[in-house]
Amino acid sequence: DQQVKQNSPSLSVQEGRISILNCDYTNSMFDYFLWYKKYPAEGPTFLISISSIKDKNEDGRFTVFLNKSAKHLSLHIVPSQPGDSAVYFCAASGDITQGGSEKLVFGKGTKLTVNP
Amino acid sequence: DAGVTQSPTHLIKTRGQHVTLRCSPISGHKSVSWYQQVLGQGPQFIFQYYEKEERGRGNFPDRFSARQFPNYSSELNVNALLLGDSALYLCASRGLAGGPTGELFFGEGSRLTVL
Repeated sequence: DQQVKQNSPSLSVQEGRISILNCDYTNSMFDYFLWYKKYPAEGPTFLISISSIKDKNEDGRFTVFLNKSAKHLSLHIVPSQPGDSAVYFCAASGDITQGGSEKLVFGKGTKLTVNP
Repeated sequence: DAGVTQSPTHLIKTRGQHVTLRCSPISGHKSVSWYQQVLGQGPQFIFQYYEKEERGRGNFPDRFSARQFPNYSSELNVNALLLGDSALYLCASRGLAGGPTGELFFGEGSRLTVL
């Protein structure tokens, strides 16, 4: 039962263009959503998050959009840089029946490649 | 400041053996979580400890156990290893238990291979 889904295993974009990574979730109890970035041989690194009471959060080149009615969120990276090439994981938390905010439920990840 | 540190970084075991993985959280962090990441999948929650008490447990068999020490470091133990236990085991820490942020700081992981 995949509660957080990233349906695109990979994405390739040109440097300077926009990267859009998508994530869908099924559990309406989730109230906090996060994006993590992972380079090979390293642990995931927190990138940006959004609370369910908001529909947008921006941090520099990174913006996360949340559409609660569609149970969909997306991460926009503008402009994309070659150093952004990594695996991006969408994660959700907040279902008190599943550990509340202490447990993150991750998607399978999307491998982003930014070509120079 | 040092981040989350895990040891060993790589290890190879055979089926039926036991393994102990260790984690030191960021200084001042009292909450430690363990995640398993199988190749091609996202990390999956195993345990969460705060102030030496178990606060959450994922859908893993009893062969998996953990504990947290007074200095907030933690151990993950896996008994009777199976081939399917081969994975990257990630430890993460956070400053406060509960709360809305959900942000965890991850270590680089321990890569376990079971032959």
